Amino acid sequence: SQQGEEDPQALSIQEGENATMNCSYKTSINNLQWYRQNSGRGLVHLILIRSNEREKHSGRLRVTLDTSKKSSSLLITASRAADTASYFCAFMNRDDKIIFGKGTRLHILP
Amino acid sequence: EAGVTQFPSHSVIEKGQTVTLRCDPISGHDNLYWYRRVMGKEIKFLLHFVKESKQDESGMPNNRFLAERTGGTYSTLKVQPAELEDSGVYFCASSQRTALAGNEQFFGPGTRLTVL
Repeated sequence: SQQGEEDPQALSIQEGENATMNCSYKTSINNLQWYRQNSGRGLVHLILIRSNEREKHSGRLRVTLDTSKKSSSLLITASRAADTASYFCAFMNRDDKIIFGKGTRLHILP
Repeated sequence: EAGVTQFPSHSVIEKGQTVTLRCDPISGHDNLYWYRRVMGKEIKFLLHFVKESKQDESGMPNNRFLAERTGGTYSTLKVQPAELEDSGVYFCASSQRTALAGNEQFFGPGTRLTVL
């Protein structure tokens, strides 16, 4: 299976803390993306990191990619209530398909 | 600029009925993708249009699913006849270039399909 695997499946943290989610994959990739889905809403693209990049930042988001370990992590710093959502990693394989993981459900506690 | 839109937002039908989902991509985007997430599973690719042509339909689950994109603008995904296991959220996405070129896919809000 080419499916990505996120861990943890669910994460609850206090507002203001940092949240780290990990993703592993099995195949060669061109790039890896992270998406957020708020309950009942569509997918929102957060950040894309290419296979030749190791780290990327966007606001409070920091993504790392380790192609030797076939893994990526998403760090959300100073979490807010609005960050409560499901987060998916997705990678583009050589066939131009996006393969999604099952997602991590993040819950920010007030 | 309007994003990807999908209609309806929610559809409830009985097993054996037909449902047609619609996706309007961002204007000017040649690439259109359909994905779905069935209960508890991951989001899976269904198919990819480049303009009006099916570039890749390897993710279509069976011949009860028919996707069209006449004229290369909006796309429809018809399920006929619907089965219980078709319940889930169907997402549409569009991009200006292919993802291989590093271009982002913009997702619509999804259509939640419930088959009773």
